[in-house]
Amino acid sequence: KAGVTQTPRYLIKTRGQQVTLSCSPISGHRSVSWYQQTPGQGLQFLFEYFSETQRNKGNFPGRFSGRQFSNSRSEMNVSTLELGDSALYLCASSPPLGGTYNTEAFFGQGTRLTVV
Amino acid sequence: GNSVTQMEGPVTLSEEAFLTINCTYTATGYPSLFWYVQYPGEGLQLLLKATKADDKGSNKGFEATYRKETTSFHLEKGSVQVSDSAVYFCALLSGGGADGLTFGKGTHLIIQP
Repeated sequence: KAGVTQTPRYLIKTRGQQVTLSCSPISGHRSVSWYQQTPGQGLQFLFEYFSETQRNKGNFPGRFSGRQFSNSRSEMNVSTLELGDSALYLCASSPPLGGTYNTEAFFGQGTRLTVV
Repeated sequence: GNSVTQMEGPVTLSEEAFLTINCTYTATGYPSLFWYVQYPGEGLQLLLKATKADDKGSNKGFEATYRKETTSFHLEKGSVQVSDSAVYFCALLSGGGADGLTFGKGTHLIIQP
């Protein structure tokens, strides 16, 4: 069974630009979550999507947004990039558990975003 | 809010030594607790989990017991190997997942031959 796939693996963008990252969950998983990992702040929760709806959201500015498609693939977008947005962005998918939140999360390898 | 505290390291041990990485937490309700491992250049892998008090999670020789009375979930392994070198994250999930996983800062473990 294929794991969680994130593309691209590496990105370099210029301050002020926008970026879109993609995540393909494990087949059959309907929940997709996104996390930002930085040396200073560690791992922080961005948002979670379930059946094309944002179910939960972390404490990030509106420049960070996401969406989920009918095949459960998800994208996250960051607009007006700042130097501080440089980070490893991790996506995780979870299998269904009767429609409730499942405790099992499987992570992809991440997208390393560098803003210059 | 929720929080997880763990030693950041680096923690350096010799091969076959005993490992303990401490983890304590603050959370509302009754969280589920996890240990994740991250190898260089990789994402996170779930190492073990426990969903209720006194549960013991175990995998690949690693163990951790959910201690509600001390709000702890310490990771242990009896004999570490060089291949165990990685960063280990303690995490919790509570409140139906409204805040996602809350992670500790991570502990960098280095095992020397």
